Amino acid sequence: DIQMTQSPSSLSASVGDRVTITCRASQSIGSYLNWYQQKPGKAPKVLIYLASVASSVQSGVPPRFSGGGSGTDFTLTISSLQPEDSATYYCQQNSSPPFTFGGGTKVEIK
Amino acid sequence: QVQLVQSGAEVKTPGASVKISCKTSGYTFTNYAIHWVRQAPGQRLEWMGWINAANGGTRSSQKFQGRVTITMDTSANTAYMELSSLRSEDTAVYFCAKDGVLAGTRGNWFDPWGQGTLVTVSS
Repeated sequence: DIQMTQSPSSLSASVGDRVTITCRASQSIGSYLNWYQQKPGKAPKVLIYLASVASSVQSGVPPRFSGGGSGTDFTLTISSLQPEDSATYYCQQNSSPPFTFGGGTKVEIK
Repeated sequence: QVQLVQSGAEVKTPGASVKISCKTSGYTFTNYAIHWVRQAPGQRLEWMGWINAANGGTRSSQKFQGRVTITMDTSANTAYMELSSLRSEDTAVYFCAKDGVLAGTRGNWFDPWGQGTLVTVSS
């Protein structure tokens, strides 16, 4: 199975800060990497798919969210943190089944 | 608007089985695969398997093979996930999610998700 490792596991930042979350795969996954946002008691919501494509069909993801990377190293960046971005963020690979997730990054607002 | 609505919370004893439904609306059911993902308390999301709604083909994670059965009823636009031989470690919220690609065959991103079904396994 492909192991997905996220860092940091949690962070605290101020409104307006630029925040970057990292996800590393145990082997190359090309661009088959997706990012989700999950708020407490809710289902995850896709933010970014294929490493850098912002979801718009269902989710209407704000442009402050962006993704990058390929191979084994990926990033999710929030360009200007907003109060509603307080959530846990997960990466997920869909290069090969089982489609594994990272351990999550909890983002808190100072 | 695409919606996935899951059945309600369940409490089961060890060794029992649970079957969760995922009723879809707002799109052509047979055009997209449905995935099942679970989240145990304090744990990461865990993919369990998926069903190709075009032909009923399924694939499940090796971890659950022999215990998980994913089925569908195209007339009801509904997918089902049954997990057998339940143990306390199966206590989790179970989600269904629609695949992100029309007629996708490789497994893609999950969008949107159902609201989740809490399954509690306790004696």
